[in-house]
Amino acid sequence: QVQLVESGGGVVQPGRSLRLSCEASGFTLTSYGMHWVRQAPGKGMEWVAVTWFDEDNKYYADSVKGRFSISRDASKNRLYLHMNSLRVEDTAVYFCARGDSPRPYYMDVWGKGTTVIVSS
Amino acid sequence: IVLTQSPATLSLSPGDRATLSCRASPSVSSFLAWYQQKPGQAPRLLIYDASKRATGIPARFSGSGSGTDFTLTISSLEPEDFAVYYCQQRSNWPYRYTFGQGTNLEIK
Repeated sequence: QVQLVESGGGVVQPGRSLRLSCEASGFTLTSYGMHWVRQAPGKGMEWVAVTWFDEDNKYYADSVKGRFSISRDASKNRLYLHMNSLRVEDTAVYFCARGDSPRPYYMDVWGKGTTVIVSS
Repeated sequence: IVLTQSPATLSLSPGDRATLSCRASPSVSSFLAWYQQKPGQAPRLLIYDASKRATGIPARFSGSGSGTDFTLTISSLEPEDFAVYYCQQRSNWPYRYTFGQGTNLEIK
């Protein structure tokens, strides 16, 4: 069964760092592009970052570029989102999502999300 | 690329036909997807490439359009269809993924 489970969320002060993790099962992470997508409280969906299957291609939303980094551990079949210099406006539920292909256009499988609250 | 969904809220009854719109600027060819999100849940892929149903999606959901104007149609609303719907596309270089602001389909 294809499944994604996020972890690592929590309450963090502005300016601090946090690492989110996404454990994949039922498929091999390295065969697909993988996304992080977030949803602020009461708001719509915002794409955050993607790594294509080869990890040579990583792309970020302008709102997080230079602060967030996406990476993968093939041996653990896990995806990560390293978040630095966190801001109050980064508060959201963060979803891990599988791309529909190695160089994805869409997101075909989603995790349930992990909540990040940035507050002093 | 900007995706504009309309209406923001659509109030209908079970059994009604629902028509949701997504307008892209500039054109996105046919590379557009639709997702359904229920409260407290992750989104679910419904339609991709503008008109192809994702695995396990009922036939009452259909998508159409190309270029700048796209439509998601639910032929006869079931109680479980009341949710928020998002359209989404990918731009090419720089590679960015954009969601529309969503349409809230609510029970009348």
